[in-house]
Amino acid sequence: QVQLVQSGAEVKKPGASVKISCKASGYSFTSYAMHWVRQAPGQRPEWMGWINGHNDNTKYSQKFQGRVTITRDISASTAYMELSSLRSEDTAVYYCARDGVPAAQDWFDPWGQGTLVTVSS
Amino acid sequence: DIQMTQSPSSLSASVGDRVSITCRASQSISSHLNWYQQKPGKAPEFLIYGASSLQSGVPSRFSGSGSGTDFTLTISSLQPEDFATYYCQQNYSPPLTFGGGTKVEIK
Repeated sequence: QVQLVQSGAEVKKPGASVKISCKASGYSFTSYAMHWVRQAPGQRPEWMGWINGHNDNTKYSQKFQGRVTITRDISASTAYMELSSLRSEDTAVYYCARDGVPAAQDWFDPWGQGTLVTVSS
Repeated sequence: DIQMTQSPSSLSASVGDRVSITCRASQSISSHLNWYQQKPGKAPEFLIYGASSLQSGVPSRFSGSGSGTDFTLTISSLQPEDFATYYCQQNYSPPLTFGGGTKVEIK
């Protein structure tokens, strides 16, 4: 079955960067876009950006432009999300989520299990 | 950015009740509206796409309706496993945005 397995929890100091991995299995990795969504405690999910399944094109939310980088390693069926210049407001659970269909309709199914990133001095 | 507003923010209901949740977009999004269910400590799960199309494997007691700016998620007969938070999400234009959530609690 389709599965997304993310890397473990991270604790970072303000100003640092974090890079989270998302290993995909059970489907053709290059056929689907991969999104990254974060959710701060008690808040709604927030879309950060995505990487195209067919090439390395990316699109980012303007809110994170300049701080976020989404990449992938096709040979490892793994997507990555790096967020730099971390601040306390970046404390959240970060999810990877596959696009629901190969045609990239911008819905999220399935999701990874989430990676808690805590930013604290 | 398109703002998504859900109501109510929470509701209490009993097993067997019919429950409806509303989602409103700040501009017309045609039928580009999706619904998710999230249980505490878990990732969201996908329920409905295109405002009214049920994802494979989702129980038929879930249904969605609406177009333009106003949408509704209905659970026809609430089951114990349905107590969760529900989010709408628009995929009309980036940035993709979510509603604030509706928490369905046991009465």
